[in-house]
Amino acid sequence: EVQLVESGGGLVQPGRSLKLSCAASGFTFSNYYMAWVRQAPKKGLEWVATISTSGSRTYYPDSVKGRFTISRDNAKSSLYLQMNSLKSEDTATYYCARLKYTTDYYSYYFDYWGQGVMVTVSS
Amino acid sequence: DIQMTQSPASLSASLGETVTIQCQASEDIYSGLAWYQQKPGKSPQLLIYGASSLQDGVPSRFSGSGSGTQYSLKISSMQTEDEGVYFCQQGLKYPFTFGSGTKLEIK
Repeated sequence: EVQLVESGGGLVQPGRSLKLSCAASGFTFSNYYMAWVRQAPKKGLEWVATISTSGSRTYYPDSVKGRFTISRDNAKSSLYLQMNSLKSEDTATYYCARLKYTTDYYSYYFDYWGQGVMVTVSS
Repeated sequence: DIQMTQSPASLSASLGETVTIQCQASEDIYSGLAWYQQKPGKSPQLLIYGASSLQDGVPSRFSGSGSGTQYSLKISSMQTEDEGVYFCQQGLKYPFTFGSGTKLEIK
C-alpha cells in the first residue's frame, strides 16, 4: 500500500524558514517523480514543486521560485521542501504527492497524496 | 500559464441523478487532464487521468470525456458518498494548474 506521510509543519513568523519532510513507503520511491501541492484555507489547489527521480531536475511556479527548494533522499525514501523567506500567503496545507506520467497523453498527474501538513505564517 | 476554468462552482443533485462538471483550458491540452475528488478534511483523490481513463478502484459511475480545450466529468448516478469538491488539473505543461473546484452536495 502506497503511503506518504508529511511532517514538519507549524507556526512560523514571516521571513523565517521551515522544512517539510515526506516519508514514502509501499512503492519504489526512486522510480517516481515527486511533488508538493498546497491548499490555502478554504481555497483551491496550487502546485508548488516537482523533482525528478534522481533529483537533478526541479521545477517551481513563479510564486515560490527562489524561495522554496525541493529535494529528495532516495536511500531514505524521503522528500523534502525547504521554505525560506516565508510570507503570509504561503499559509496552507502542504501535500506530498506522487507524480505519474502517461505516455499516451504526455502529461503528468498526481496519483497518490499524503494527508497534508499545515503551515501557518503569522507574526 | 494554462488557465483552467471550472463550472459550475457549486451544484446540488438528488440521489441517482446524473451530474456533469465542466473544465475549460485556455489552450489545447491534448487530453492531458485529470480529475480529483476531495472530501472535507481529506486529501484529494485521483478519479480520472488522460481525460477519460478511470483510476484503479474508482467506481464505474465516474467517467471523463473531452478533447482540445473542453473536458467534462460525469457521475452517472449520484450517491451520498460522492459529496465533496471536484478539481480538474492539466499536466501537459509547467506550471501544472488546477481548476477552482466544484462543490457537489446532495439535494
